[in-house]
Amino acid sequence: SQQGEEDPQALSIQEGENATMNCSYKTSINNLQWYRQNSGRGLVHLILIRSNEREKHSGRLRVTLDTSKKSSSLLITASRAADTASYFCATDGGSQGNLIFGKGTKLSVKP
Amino acid sequence: EAQVTQNPRYLITVTGKKLTVTCSQNMNHEYMSWYRQDPGLGLRQIYYSMNVEVTDKGDVPEGYKVSRKEKRNFPLILESPSPNQTSLYFCASSRQGDTEAFFGQGTRLTVV
Repeated sequence: SQQGEEDPQALSIQEGENATMNCSYKTSINNLQWYRQNSGRGLVHLILIRSNEREKHSGRLRVTLDTSKKSSSLLITASRAADTASYFCATDGGSQGNLIFGKGTKLSVKP
Repeated sequence: EAQVTQNPRYLITVTGKKLTVTCSQNMNHEYMSWYRQDPGLGLRQIYYSMNVEVTDKGDVPEGYKVSRKEKRNFPLILESPSPNQTSLYFCASSRQGDTEAFFGQGTRLTVV
């Protein structure tokens, strides 16, 4: 079924650097969400961007959405070791019934 | 505190022995769902429910059953577990299917 795909699969950076993760999807959407997962634990919602929005900010997070390219990016500025986690995008595929997740980007921030 | 509670957190069982993983939410959410997470495959949806007595299959429903008799509870039932159902399971709830989802802490299931 339709699914978001994150890129890269893994990313390793130094503390203080910015981290950018990308998500591509296949069909039209109502919104796109980003989630974070610390190792083996439940996912935590970070941000939701609607299809009529192009950019959204939340603290050190910046999300962009390009519906013409069916892609989104998540930027974490001034990263910290505590940002080490897996990050997932999730799309609704234009329907109200299903939230479909990608395979995630594993971010490692070294102190 | 708004939360989704899954039990048990860890479970080791034998092939064929029926088990139930419970999920409960205290946010009066309409929508609940179950996912399994496997290395390299991400999260795959097993079943979802848009309201009481309304359930539907996700991407990987084979070998699983669910029920939604009450709004707050959405148990996952494995009638005859097999080793390929060894996985990390998550329950989630949301106000609607495409709004912010709240996840439980996960259930790590091993079937031997």
